[in-house]
Amino acid sequence: ETGVTQTPRHLVMGMTNKKSLKCEQHLGHNAMYWYKQSAKKPLELMFVYNFKEQTENNSVPSRFSPECPNSSHLFLHLHTLQPEDSALYLCASSQDLSQFYEQYFGPGTRLTVT
Amino acid sequence: SQQGEEDPQALSIQEGENATMNCSYKTSINNLQWYRQNSGRGLVHLILIRSNEREKHSGRLRVTLDTSKKSSSLLITASRAADTASYFCATVASLLNYGGSQGNLIFGKGTKLSVKP
Repeated sequence: ETGVTQTPRHLVMGMTNKKSLKCEQHLGHNAMYWYKQSAKKPLELMFVYNFKEQTENNSVPSRFSPECPNSSHLFLHLHTLQPEDSALYLCASSQDLSQFYEQYFGPGTRLTVT
Repeated sequence: SQQGEEDPQALSIQEGENATMNCSYKTSINNLQWYRQNSGRGLVHLILIRSNEREKHSGRLRVTLDTSKKSSSLLITASRAADTASYFCATVASLLNYGGSQGNLIFGKGTKLSVKP
């Protein structure tokens, strides 16, 4: 247990569906991250939040919409996804954005878009 | 790009043997981190080594850093079947508007280690 939880663990959705991924951290951290991990590709950073404010949007398509209502919770709202969006979506947190802090990862949500 | 690149892509060894994985990167760094990922799970932080450190130990793990060669290695001694996982190095891309003291981790593609009992 890393102190970061993600729900659901598995999600299958059609291209016209709307769904949300949830991440919660119990570590008192101030920074939270969304990553996408596709087969045979490096882990891709999608969004970064620090003290609830978005500090990074790594050219992510608008069909992915993040929300950070407080420092402990992070959501990723999904709509009109494409099959190539099928991947493992990982949430992480760290004390803050200092590069000397390690990141704690959740177990991920395995997303399949049909 | 500061992306780390691990070598080899896959490594298969017998239990009890040592496993060595290498990471190369392209630009100057302040620190380098190693993470482990069991199949289909999240990443777990293993060790962080700062640019002014040359070697660091944690249990059966030994990490070296050679900033002149822009490379790092992760050695797992006396490997166990439970060490089977993918191992990633991560370097930091500085956020310029934070004066370079903050940054995002950039991960490589990883080394897939298989330890056979």
